[in-house]
Amino acid sequence: SYVLTQPPSVSVAPGKTAWITCGGNNIGSKNVYWYQQKPGQAPVLVIYYDTDRPSGIPERFSGSNSGNAATLTISRVEDGDEADYYCQVWDTSSDHPVFGGGTQLTVL
Amino acid sequence: QVQLQESGPGLVKPSQTLSLTCTVSGGSISSGSYYWSWIRQPAGKGLEWIGRVYSSGDTNYNPSLKSRVTISVDTSKNQFSLRMSSVTAADTAVYYCARGRFLEWFDPWGQGTLVSVSS
Repeated sequence: SYVLTQPPSVSVAPGKTAWITCGGNNIGSKNVYWYQQKPGQAPVLVIYYDTDRPSGIPERFSGSNSGNAATLTISRVEDGDEADYYCQVWDTSSDHPVFGGGTQLTVL
Repeated sequence: QVQLQESGPGLVKPSQTLSLTCTVSGGSISSGSYYWSWIRQPAGKGLEWIGRVYSSGDTNYNPSLKSRVTISVDTSKNQFSLRMSSVTAADTAVYYCARGRFLEWFDPWGQGTLVSVSS
């Protein structure tokens, strides 16, 4: 089955930029979705179709996808961005969704 | 605005069957080309998709859980349900229900419900 690989943790100072990667075989050919999950809460969609933001998600959140890696970029990081972030794609060979292992974003 | 709410026992004994229900409000479970999923998350770990059901009753399951899982839908009650048999401590997790669409994302999600498997 299809495997998505994320770094377990990323640390960033407030006001700086955070990059969270999601690796997968030829992931650039798939649509990638990103979720933010704060402690004790359900995941919330922050990026869909690789680059699009749902209404209410700040422009500081952006996405890209090419080759074997997709990236979630958070600009001008704020304390409130501290959370776990998960990528998700559809594994068309098995006809079901797959999640990455998650990345814990720490704001220093 | 569609909202989902999980309900069910928070404690299940080993070898027994876990049963959860997700109630959909703010919209019909039969509208649109959506499906309805269960996703779980053990404490401190990542998300695992369990399976999905369409309002037609068609289902699809994670191969790793398929032998123990049944997901069903009751359109008259605007609910869908999860049954997982022969549970062990490894099934202890927060269980979420969520709406999805084929090849797309999950939104919205329920708030999640913790199910512990213990004697």
